[in-house]
Amino acid sequence: GEDVEQSLFLSVREGDSSVINCTYTDSSSTYLYWYKQEPGAGLQLLTYIFSNMDMKQDQRLTVLLNKKDKHLSLRIADTQTGDSAIYFCAERRAAGNKLTFGGGTRVLVKP
Amino acid sequence: DGGITQSPKYLFRKEGQNVTLSCEQNLNHDAMYWYRQDPGQGLRLIYYSQIVNDFQKGDIAEGYSVSREKKESFPLTVTSAQKNPTAFYLCASSIGSRERSNEQFFGPGTRLTVL
Repeated sequence: GEDVEQSLFLSVREGDSSVINCTYTDSSSTYLYWYKQEPGAGLQLLTYIFSNMDMKQDQRLTVLLNKKDKHLSLRIADTQTGDSAIYFCAERRAAGNKLTFGGGTRVLVKP
Repeated sequence: DGGITQSPKYLFRKEGQNVTLSCEQNLNHDAMYWYRQDPGQGLRLIYYSQIVNDFQKGDIAEGYSVSREKKESFPLTVTSAQKNPTAFYLCASSIGSRERSNEQFFGPGTRLTVL
């Protein structure tokens, strides 16, 4: 199975909060990242969290990490139409600098 | 402006031809990476380089080759041995330190279509 898993699709109304979930399997993960990809573009780094942290907040973004359950989430407050994109989580394992990506969650924000 | 550039944005190739995708960065990063993205899927690592004149295979290296003669440049050649080369190719770079967050920054991508 996939090392990093995400749900495929999320629909949310403008102004509501979005929560994108990610699960991973490797307990040696050191850092976990969230990226955003708009159509036809590269990936934009949104935020990251170190594995010894439970939470990190950066303006409208809140990352929660449950290391016991190997579960990562990204909450976007006050979701805007410009937040419509594909969101990828990625883990970095202790062995090196490589990242393992999830399959991406497509977020559609409806006005 | 510091960043990563990839060229060309769109590339068309006939079957049986080799083609080289360019990736340049002026971020003074040691590490560089090539990923492949297929529609509706995540990224898969093709090759990566931690330092000049050194590179390692990623998860799907067959049919691809790279070089790292300069710190700023990490070109990817898609050879005729690659069975299904049509995809979106993304280049990334990072500081390269294992002690830091070492976040990867991505270029805008090259879409390769084999005719």
